[in-house]
Amino acid sequence: EVQLVESGGGLVQPGGSLRLSCAASGFTFSTYPMNWVRQAPGKGLEWLSYIDSSSSTIYYADSVKGRFTISRDNAKNSLFLQMNSLRAEDTAVYYCARFPGYGIDVWGQGTTVTVSS
Amino acid sequence: DIQMTQSPSSLSASVGDRVTITCRASQSISSYLNWYQQKPGKAPKLLIYAASSLQSGVPSRFSGSGSGIDFTLTISSLQPEDFATYYCQQSYITPYTFGQGTKLEIK
Repeated sequence: EVQLVESGGGLVQPGGSLRLSCAASGFTFSTYPMNWVRQAPGKGLEWLSYIDSSSSTIYYADSVKGRFTISRDNAKNSLFLQMNSLRAEDTAVYYCARFPGYGIDVWGQGTTVTVSS
Repeated sequence: DIQMTQSPSSLSASVGDRVTITCRASQSISSYLNWYQQKPGKAPKLLIYAASSLQSGVPSRFSGSGSGIDFTLTISSLQPEDFATYYCQQSYITPYTFGQGTKLEIK
């Protein structure tokens, strides 16, 4: 079964850091570009970041550029999102997502990040 | 950035109705348009990619059309399980922006 499982969410104070992980299984992870997408409570979907299969091409949304870093470890079938300088507006459910190039065809269940003092 | 605007923002319909949701891009995105369905507390699900291609396993009552700027998602005969929020997304150029969503409710 093709599966993505996120972990690492939680409660963090403003200005703090958190590292999200996504474990992939059931497919050849090393051949797929991946994305992170988030959804604030009661709001719509926001695309955050893209990484290609070899980590050679990376993109970010302006809202997280300079604060968030996407990375992957193909040997461990894992995707990561390092989040620094967190703000209240970063509170959301964060989804790991497989992006074969035409759309996001596999989503994780999401991990919740709450930024609050 | 490319802005994606969906209409309507919400819609009430009955089982068996034909429903159309529209998505407009702020500039041409060729056919790089995807549609997702999201139910409360769940991750989104890909329905349509490349404007009109049905994702594997998605019922044929869902269809997509359009190119350039204007796109539509049509559900030919609403089923009870179709009541959800629908999002369009452009994958033409980063940031891969989403529309604001269309909430489809039971009349």
